[in-house]
Amino acid sequence: DVKVTQSSRYLVKRTGEKVFLECVQDMDHENMFWYRQDPGLGLRLIYFSYDVKMKEKGDIPEGYSVSREKKERFSLILESASTNQTSMYLCASSPGHLNTEAFFGQGTRLTVV
Amino acid sequence: GENVEQHPSTLSVQEGDSAVIKCTYSDSASNYFPWYKQELGKGPQLIIDIRSNVGEKKDQRIAVTLNKTAKHFSLHITETQPEDSAVYFCAASGSFKTIFGAGTRLFVKA
Repeated sequence: DVKVTQSSRYLVKRTGEKVFLECVQDMDHENMFWYRQDPGLGLRLIYFSYDVKMKEKGDIPEGYSVSREKKERFSLILESASTNQTSMYLCASSPGHLNTEAFFGQGTRLTVV
Repeated sequence: GENVEQHPSTLSVQEGDSAVIKCTYSDSASNYFPWYKQELGKGPQLIIDIRSNVGEKKDQRIAVTLNKTAKHFSLHITETQPEDSAVYFCAASGSFKTIFGAGTRLFVKA
């Protein structure tokens, strides 16, 4: 079974803190994604990566950055957390060929106070 | 920009009844249409998908239909069971870009 593991289920951080969300997948997938999930808005793509050290902006990259130093690991960084970044964050991975199933982690619920 | 509209946002059915969720998309380049189920406390998981060269696909109690001309696709769940209660997301994928619908919260009453 494909496994995508996010390092934390719940996080509470203070405004202005630098926050790291970690994601690891064990299926040697080329593509990795970070989504944000908010009620009534579905899943919105923050950043994705199709190879080590490669990254592409998604639809809502402002206030976020990412790092992919190893194929299995994709990190989301909130440079200076703000209350409007309180949300559920989902990591996903998929094989290299286009338009195929994405495998999601269990999500990290981040609260910024 | 491209978008996917999903309706209804909430659906409540009696156990044993059918449930239908509908989505429309705007990007003509979309050619892959997955449906994901998200149970409480978990990440979304693929339940069925369809590609643009197919009009209908069925897997046990779940079926998906696609009308490329009208740019809409639907999820049909027959003989619903309490364990079908979850949030369902449709998505349209093309040109390495996947757009998700806003989600439908399905309640199946026993």
